[in-house]
Parts: sequence; C-alpha cells; structure tokens
Amino acid sequence: DAGITQSPRYKITETGRQVTLMCHQTWSHSYMFWYRQDLGHGLRLIYYSAAADITDKGEVPDGYVVSRSKTENFPLTLESATRSQTSVYFCASSDPGLASDTGELFFGEGSRLTVL
Amino acid sequence: DQQVKQNSPSLSVQEGRISILNCDYTNSMFDYFLWYKKYPAEGPTFLISISSIKDKNEDGRFTVFLNKSAKHLSLHIVPSQPGDSAVYFCAARYNFNKFYFGSGTKLNVKP
Repeated sequence: DAGITQSPRYKITETGRQVTLMCHQTWSHSYMFWYRQDLGHGLRLIYYSAAADITDKGEVPDGYVVSRSKTENFPLTLESATRSQTSVYFCASSDPGLASDTGELFFGEGSRLTVL
Repeated sequence: DQQVKQNSPSLSVQEGRISILNCDYTNSMFDYFLWYKKYPAEGPTFLISISSIKDKNEDGRFTVFLNKSAKHLSLHIVPSQPGDSAVYFCAARYNFNKFYFGSGTKLNVKP
C-alpha cells in the first residue's frame, strides 16, 4: 500500500530498555519527521531529516536517536526509555520541492508507547 | 516559546451552524499555514492550507482566513456536521522543514 506506515502501533516497555519505532514511506518524499503528541503540548518535533544521511534535531531531541540510511525509512530509537517518553509518536513526510506544494505534511497513524 | 497558539482547548457547536477555530502565531517568516483534523487513535489528516501571500482559501465547507497584520488565522466550517467532531490542529511552516503546531482545539458538533 502506498503511504506512510509506522510500526509497532502499540508498545509497552520498561524503563531503561531500548525501543525502536519504525517509519516507512512509499512516496520518496525528501523530508521525514518524528513528532510526539502529549496533552497540552500538541505535536512537538523530535528530529527531522532532509534526505538520506541528513538528520537534524527538533524541539525535543534528548533521549532519542534517528538514522536515515534509505530515503524511505526513518527509524526512531529510544536508547534507554524513561517514563517521560510515554507518548504517541507520529512519523510524517513532505516534499516541498514539488510544484504542487501545498505545505502539507503527511502523517502516519501513530505509535503509542508506554514506558513502565 | 510557543510560536503557534490555539487558545481554545474546546469548542461546542450545534449541527448546521458555523464552527470557527482560531490560531495565533508569532513568526512573520512562516510561508504556509495548515489545518489538520485528528480522530482518536489515528494520525492527523490534512484539511486545508493557505500560503502566506493569500488571505483566504476555500475548499467546500472549509475556509481558512489569514490576517497577517494580526498574525492570526481562523478555520470556518459551514455547515458543521457531527462527523466534524475531532481535534483540530493549526500548524505553520518555516523554511520548508520546520512545522510548528498549536496544542489543538477539540470540536464537538452536537446533533
């Protein structure tokens, strides 16, 4: 199926464990993003990537690591999970270089992570 | 420092009436403003956007107005339908790669 998919959709882990959330897009969009959604904060940017092998920090990068070896994949790793990282995580992509650019950001369905 | 703010956490409207959702921003360099709709357990879905060089954009029942002097935008939904009940996020884009989101407004459209 075309689009942007995240896995797993739901994950429960324990404090101190490493967790990786996967994100895959089929559009070959240049930009990919990871956001977290928390009550009262809306969506906050964790990391983004402008192209393969190019990543940069967003508003709340501490405790997270990303990589982008291929254009279509953008995994997010919590190296040592903490309770404060319990959240819903959204991956997104965009391609502002398109002539049809409407500013749109395309989102995955989200990964709900609970850290006990 | 929140660059995009939605000051109303919730809004309740009768079916058939107009829903007006508001958003304020601080950075005059944003080039696109967007509205997203989000249902529980789903990702945000794009509704409508407006370029910073325009002041109005319409798509069916949805109209977005941009007032650059006031750094304010609004989303009008006319007529409101019960299926419109969701959380609405306002967002603004800067430099092609930075999107700033408001904290959301939960719209409830009563039948």
